[in-house]
Amino acid sequence: EAGVVQSPRYKIIEKKQPVAFWCNPISGHNTLYWYRQNLGQGPELLIRYENEEAVDDSQLPKDRFSAERLKGVDSTLKIQPAELGDSAVYLCASSLGGGGSGEQFFGPGTRLTVL
Amino acid sequence: AQSVTQPDIHITVSEGASLELRCNYSYGATPYLFWYVQSPGQGLQLLLKYFSGDTLVQGIKGFEAEFKRSQSSFNLRKPSVHWSDAAEYFCAVGDNYGQNFVFGPGTRLSVLP
Repeated sequence: EAGVVQSPRYKIIEKKQPVAFWCNPISGHNTLYWYRQNLGQGPELLIRYENEEAVDDSQLPKDRFSAERLKGVDSTLKIQPAELGDSAVYLCASSLGGGGSGEQFFGPGTRLTVL
Repeated sequence: AQSVTQPDIHITVSEGASLELRCNYSYGATPYLFWYVQSPGQGLQLLLKYFSGDTLVQGIKGFEAEFKRSQSSFNLRKPSVHWSDAAEYFCAVGDNYGQNFVFGPGTRLSVLP
């Protein structure tokens, strides 16, 4: 069974440029999460989707971050414009949701460097 | 609000020695507790989880953890550490719907030959 797929794995951009990350969750997983992990810290939730609906985006900086999950499968996280402080690893995770075990399966992440 | 603390930022042990990583949580309801491991450049991998029942849970790679409600703790243990166990370890608390999921800051484990 394929795991959570993310691309790209690495991205280097200059500040003020836009950037996008893509995630393909495990087949059949209705819940999808985007986390940001700063160096030396634990992941912090940015947004959670149940199918195509964003049910928790309270931690998403909406002035520059946006996300979508069309058709309730793949998801894209965008930053526009990027700032130096956005340098981090962006992790995507998925779970069965809906009263399941709650276990989240993580992708390898995208390491973003903003210069 | 829920929170997770991992008091030890960095631990160094010798290969073959025993290991205990500490985790304390604050959660308003019945917690679902998890330990994840993250190797350099890798995503997080689930080691074990506790939902209910036996408070001593077994996980992969020879790890175990014990849930102590009275101490709000969920410490991770391994009787004999291998060099390949060197990684970052994260404790997390959430619910069975995947909501209110909070990670601790992590403990970095180094293993001496």
